[in-house]
Amino acid sequence: EIVLTQSPGTLSLSPGERASLSCRASQSVASNYLAWYQQKPGQAPRLLIYGTSNRATGIPDRFSGGGSGTDFTFTISRLEPEDFAVYYCQQYGSSPRITFGQGTRLDIK
Amino acid sequence: EVQLVQSGAEVKKPGESLKMSCKGSGYTFADHWIGWVRQMPGKGLEWMGIIWPGDSDSRYNPSFQGQVTISVDKSISTAYLQWSSLKASDTAMFYCVRTRVSANYDPYYFDYWGQGTLVTVSS
Repeated sequence: EIVLTQSPGTLSLSPGERASLSCRASQSVASNYLAWYQQKPGQAPRLLIYGTSNRATGIPDRFSGGGSGTDFTFTISRLEPEDFAVYYCQQYGSSPRITFGQGTRLDIK
Repeated sequence: EVQLVQSGAEVKKPGESLKMSCKGSGYTFADHWIGWVRQMPGKGLEWMGIIWPGDSDSRYNPSFQGQVTISVDKSISTAYLQWSSLKASDTAMFYCVRTRVSANYDPYYFDYWGQGTLVTVSS
């Protein structure tokens, strides 16, 4: 099973700043099949990025993803107040043994 | 607008059965795999299984095989997740998810999510 380790655990930033989140895999993710989700308190997760860098329907272009192999990043270019949430990465390169990271909490500083 | 609307929160005792539902709308229900994801209190996300509404072909995460049953009624665009005998460790939030799959019908990622159904199992 591929273990995904997200860092940092918590990131405290201010609106307008740039956020960079990391997702590191215990082994290479085939075809860079990695997705990112956002979960706000009391809400379901929402798909933001799939295939490492493809934005899902309706996702603003301030959200972006990159990386390959075992190291992936998720970036929010300029934080909006509604972006403060928990972010999860998920790999599906080893499907059906898909796995999620433990999450990074993005807090308002 | 794609929507997945789940049934309401449940409070059950150990050993009881449960069947929760998820109704899809805003898209052709029969044309997409649908599945379930578990989130235990304060924990991360775990994929449980998926089902094809067309013929009820289902695939399970080995960790959940035999523990739950996923079914579907395509005539009413509704998927179900059920337990025959709940345990306290089944306490969690469960999300219905529209699922993108591989050419071999293995789960890839989840592009739409229901609002979640909270299950509390306690004596």
